[in-house]
Amino acid sequence: QIQLVQSGPELKKPGESVKISCKASGYTFTDYAMHWVKQVPGKGLKWMGWINTYTGKPTYADDFKGRFVFSLEASASTANLQISNLKNEDTANVFCARNGRKTNSGAFDFWGPGTMVTVSS
Amino acid sequence: DIQMTQSPSSMSASLGDTVTITCLASQDIGNYLSWYQQKPGKSPKLMIYGATNLEDGVPSRFSGSRSGSDYSLTINSLGYDDEGIYHCHQYYEYPDTFGAGTKLELK
Repeated sequence: QIQLVQSGPELKKPGESVKISCKASGYTFTDYAMHWVKQVPGKGLKWMGWINTYTGKPTYADDFKGRFVFSLEASASTANLQISNLKNEDTANVFCARNGRKTNSGAFDFWGPGTMVTVSS
Repeated sequence: DIQMTQSPSSMSASLGDTVTITCLASQDIGNYLSWYQQKPGKSPKLMIYGATNLEDGVPSRFSGSRSGSDYSLTINSLGYDDEGIYHCHQYYEYPDTFGAGTKLELK
């Protein structure tokens, strides 16, 4: 069965970096794009961008350009998100989500459980 | 960016009721609209894609429709398991955008 397993919660100080992983199983990893979605506790969902799991090319939403890096370990069917120079406003639950169509033109049919990132001094 | 105006922000209904949640798109998004259900502490679950298509395994009590720029999620015969927050999502063009969410509670 298809699963996305994310790394555990993180507690960081402002200015530090964090790397979140999303390991996929149950399907061919390189056939489907991986998206990243942010949710501040008690708030709505915000799209961060996506990575082409075949070519490794990332696309970032405007608010997530500069300190955010999407990467792959394709041999391990894993997508990663690194956030550098963390700020208090990065405190959120971050989800990876699979695009449900091979053309990356679909809805998000499978989601990871989320990784809670807390930034606090 | 495409704005998705979702309403209501919260609602309370009784067992067996029919409820409708709506998202208004600020520009044309075709049928590139999905609906997700999110339970507390969980990730969103895809319910409807392509505006009207029921995801596999989702009860047929759920349905999606479109009227112009208005997209609706309707839940018939409401049950306790339907409580949660519902989000709409447009994936017509980047950046993808979501509605603000509707919190559905049962009385």
